[in-house]
Amino acid sequence: NAGVTQTPKFRVLKTGQSMTLLCAQDMNHEYMYWYRQDPGMGLRLIHYSVGEGTTAKGEVPDGYNVSRLKKQNFLLGLESAAPSQTSVYFCASSYSGGGEAFFGQGTRLTVV
Amino acid sequence: QKEVEQDPGPLSVPEGAIVSLNCTYSNSAFQYFMWYRQYSRKGPELLMYTYSSGNKEDGRFTAQVDKSSKYISLFIRDSQPSDSATYLCATVASGAGSYQLTFGKGTKLSVIP
Repeated sequence: NAGVTQTPKFRVLKTGQSMTLLCAQDMNHEYMYWYRQDPGMGLRLIHYSVGEGTTAKGEVPDGYNVSRLKKQNFLLGLESAAPSQTSVYFCASSYSGGGEAFFGQGTRLTVV
Repeated sequence: QKEVEQDPGPLSVPEGAIVSLNCTYSNSAFQYFMWYRQYSRKGPELLMYTYSSGNKEDGRFTAQVDKSSKYISLFIRDSQPSDSATYLCATVASGAGSYQLTFGKGTKLSVIP
């Protein structure tokens, strides 16, 4: 059972480049989340979705866009990468808003 | 002030010790409380889940919530080297529109054999 799968696991970008991070879950969860984790800052919510076709901003949404065209997928886009977006990105999903969140293995992104 | 405060440590204890990890929160709307464990270079995984005030025990782990003082605790008995990880507390407010899981910054624990 795959759970939550993130693609890619590692990526190096040049400043100004764009990329899309893909999150896929096979648990039929309604809620999906994108977090970034930085040393000393903990996990910070970027965007989240409460169902197919819906998205909402979290704590640190600037510089990112998301889409939830299919229930099982949640995409995170960086239109013009900046060094400040160097981080580890985690996707998570949950059956309900107050329930257990299952996390992917993370994507380590470096912007040079 | 961040909504959930957690001492980042690091915390180093000898094998077999009792470990106490703590968080405080400021939002009275928080109803669900969780502890996640994160091993190095891995994603967080749920360790304990509690609703409202009280204690919950699971093996060597006990989660405690005191809503009157807005205090969350995780106790680990007979700690093992395999418990070495970062522990994150998390809360979520109940009610329509409140779907954001808010995390503490995490406490890094090392259990020394």
